[in-house]
Amino acid sequence: EAGVTQFPSHSVIEKGQTVTLRCDPISGHDNLYWYRRVMGKEIKFLLHFVKESKQDESGMPNNRFLAERTGGTYSTLKVQPAELEDSGVYFCASSQWTREGNEQFFGPGTRLTVL
Amino acid sequence: AQSVTQLDSQVPVFEEAPVELRCNYSSSVSVYLFWYVQYPNQGLQLLLKYLSGSTLVESINGFEAEFNKSQTSFHLRKPSVHISDTAEYFCAVSGYNFNKFYFGSGTKLNVKP
Repeated sequence: EAGVTQFPSHSVIEKGQTVTLRCDPISGHDNLYWYRRVMGKEIKFLLHFVKESKQDESGMPNNRFLAERTGGTYSTLKVQPAELEDSGVYFCASSQWTREGNEQFFGPGTRLTVL
Repeated sequence: AQSVTQLDSQVPVFEEAPVELRCNYSSSVSVYLFWYVQYPNQGLQLLLKYLSGSTLVESINGFEAEFNKSQTSFHLRKPSVHISDTAEYFCAVSGYNFNKFYFGSGTKLNVKP
């Protein structure tokens, strides 16, 4: 079974440009999460989808960030326009409730560098 | 609000030596506790978790962590490390709904021969 995949693995853009990150969750997982790690600091929650609906977007930094999950499958996270402080590693995770709980499975991350 | 503190950003250790990676959390509610590991160029992998029951939990590769409610700690230990344990380790907490994880800033474990 394929794990969570993310594309691209690396992205280098200039300030003011737009970047779109993609996450493909594990097939059948209703829950999809985005996290971000900036400059070796803690990994911070951005938002949570349940199927195509945003369950919690309390961690989104500002309105330059737009997350979508059309059809409840893959998700995109767009940053427009990108700023220097947006640089970091963006992680996606997915999960599905079982009797053992709701373990989140993480992708390898997308490293975003804004110059 | 919940927060997680990993006091050590880097821990160098020689192969076969014991190691402890420290994790303290603060929370106004009961939580679940996790350790994740990130090997180079890979995603985060769940190492072990405490949900309920015995306060000592173990992983399949020899790590263990003990939940200490009075000290709000969940330190990770291994009695004898291998070169292959070189990775970054993250402590995390969540509420009972599991839906938002709070992570520490990570500890890089560097195992030297």
